[in-house]
Amino acid sequence: RKEVEQDPGPFNVPEGATVAFNCTYSNSASQSFFWYRQDCRKEPKLLMSVYSSGNEDGRFTAQLNRASQYISLLIRDSKLSDSATYLCVVRDRGSTLGRLYFGRGTQLTVWP
Amino acid sequence: DTAVSQTPKYLVTQMGNDKSIKCEQNLGHDTMYWYKQDSKKFLKIMFSYNNKELIINETVPNRFSPKSPDKAHLNLHINSLELGDSAVYFCASSQVRALGGEAFFGQGTRLTVV
Repeated sequence: RKEVEQDPGPFNVPEGATVAFNCTYSNSASQSFFWYRQDCRKEPKLLMSVYSSGNEDGRFTAQLNRASQYISLLIRDSKLSDSATYLCVVRDRGSTLGRLYFGRGTQLTVWP
Repeated sequence: DTAVSQTPKYLVTQMGNDKSIKCEQNLGHDTMYWYKQDSKKFLKIMFSYNNKELIINETVPNRFSPKSPDKAHLNLHINSLELGDSAVYFCASSQVRALGGEAFFGQGTRLTVV
């Protein structure tokens, strides 16, 4: 059983569309949650942290449901530059000093 | 200033050779990692060091040996390279005990074994 599961996509959407990605995690004791973005042939970069109360950063909204062990990312008004792979990341709590678990990523292509 | 820097960016070498990848972070973080990203794009952890102490050592062939001379550096040495070692290797760092503790990645080293 994978620690973090994501729908791999690909998601192909037109500019201006709203798109949502989902992610589930297996360890109920997980401590911190993030969405990363990885462009082709580049390193992963932090897009946003995910807080229990949900949080928004411009066109991006992240939600966390601890009871269901579920994380989501909503992108409104998609831009061509949003095309990338989005990685769901969960930080463990425990003896491994906060190990990070990465999902396999969801690929998004925004077309004009 | 680059927060996490790794060298080289590209590495092409023959099977059987020994090579090293270097990583340095100037963020003052206490934890550093090596990840391998294969052709299927999955980021798989290899090693993690916290304050120079090895804390995560995944099932990695012992041809791979990390070395952390201080908490700002984590190098990866690979002996007797094989074709299957071809991948992108990412170094990362984080401050584990801080709220959040997100990881910052280097630009990656694209290793090709021929």
